Amino acid sequence: DVVMTQSPLSLPVTLGQSASISCRSSQSLVYSDGNTYLNWFQQRPGQSPRRLIYKVSNRDSGVPDRFSGSGSGTDFTLKISKVEAEDVGVYYCMQGAHWPPTFGQGTKVEIK
Amino acid sequence: QVHLVESGGGVVQPGRSLRLSCAASGLTFSSYAMHWVRQAPGKGLQCVGVISYDGNKKYYADSVKGRFTISRDNSKNTLYLQMNSLRAEDTAVYYCVRDDGNGYNSLDYWGQGTLVTVSS
Repeated sequence: DVVMTQSPLSLPVTLGQSASISCRSSQSLVYSDGNTYLNWFQQRPGQSPRRLIYKVSNRDSGVPDRFSGSGSGTDFTLKISKVEAEDVGVYYCMQGAHWPPTFGQGTKVEIK
Repeated sequence: QVHLVESGGGVVQPGRSLRLSCAASGLTFSSYAMHWVRQAPGKGLQCVGVISYDGNKKYYADSVKGRFTISRDNSKNTLYLQMNSLRAEDTAVYYCVRDDGNGYNSLDYWGQGTLVTVSS
């Protein structure tokens, strides 16, 4: 299975500041169709995961533009600019290019 | 608005069976592949398996292959997960998740989950 490694695992952030989460895969996530299947999910406390970003950098409908995704190949980043209180939760990257889809360990974002 | 509602979870003894259901609404269910994803208490996310839109193709994680079976009834807009020979390590919240069809394993909408506890 493709191993997804996130860092950091815990991220205390000051309200209004930016936060970045790194995600690295053990294999390239570029599929034979030329697309890169890397997604980001947010899981708020007590809730189901919600997809924020698909195919590296595409925001889902309703996701604030302070969330952005970037990267290529095996190295990806989720950036949250101007963190708000509602952003508290655990963030997961997930690859869909290889079966089975696999998730990173999760990064817990909390307010300082 | 897509709505996925899982049911059927509960406490079950090791070695026994359980069937989960996921009722879908707000989408043309028969057009989408569907996944089951689980999350052990306080842990991360693990894909269990996927079924194609028409039920003809199914793929499973190695940890459940031969024990779990995914099926669907498109006439009832319902997804199922039959779990046999349950083990303590199968204890988790089980989510049903839509695949939006925009590429490969493109999971988007998640249900609220149903908790399965395997314990004697």
